[in-house]
Amino acid sequence: LAKTTQPISMDSYEGQEVNITCSHNNIATNDYITWYQQFPSQGPRFIIQGYKTKVTNEVASLFIPADRKSSTLSLPRVSLSDTAVYYCLVGDPYSGAGSYQLTFGKGTKLSVIP
Amino acid sequence: NAGVTQTPKFRVLKTGQSMTLLCAQDMNHEYMYWYRQDPGMGLRLIHYSVGEGTTAKGEVPDGYNVSRLKKQNFLLGLESAAPSQTSVYFCASSYSSFERGGAKNIQYFGAGTRLSVL
Repeated sequence: LAKTTQPISMDSYEGQEVNITCSHNNIATNDYITWYQQFPSQGPRFIIQGYKTKVTNEVASLFIPADRKSSTLSLPRVSLSDTAVYYCLVGDPYSGAGSYQLTFGKGTKLSVIP
Repeated sequence: NAGVTQTPKFRVLKTGQSMTLLCAQDMNHEYMYWYRQDPGMGLRLIHYSVGEGTTAKGEVPDGYNVSRLKKQNFLLGLESAAPSQTSVYFCASSYSSFERGGAKNIQYFGAGTRLSVL
């Protein structure tokens, strides 16, 4: 089970680019990296997923270095509405033993300041 | 396409009462999950299901039971509610696709059920 480490909180001003890094030193060869966003009083929402190098969608970019021991979620020009908790998940949800192997942890609370 | 629907949205119980939370998904997903989230905490997995008729324990299963009689529904039961079960409960469903020998798993969440046990 790949353990992940993220900063507990981050602050940013509106219009800035925000980068949230997740460390996952024991990532397995076939593990994918997935990020979710959770607004207050709502369920988490999938943002982006990647395996290596760079992935970009309409919401964010995900940068994964060659050794894959970390990943960085990049949010361009954040607004107040990006204030949320961001979770990094790494691993295969179902191990060979059949037990579930993904956990959300506490995530990173991003506060965007006007 | 409603996605994942949870009922009820709010509920207040007295200690010892029982109740069932219903989760329904219309995405034909094989996998379904029940999480609880307490203030300042991340999501903790209660039970999950990898297909119709199957269930398995997650990280915090004690005091809860589940059933998956139909593929689209996943029920979470509290037989005798306790104040420690006051929480926000989230249901999720997912598909998994296998690429590069690994599983790409993306979960879709419901809006949550706020439960207070007095």
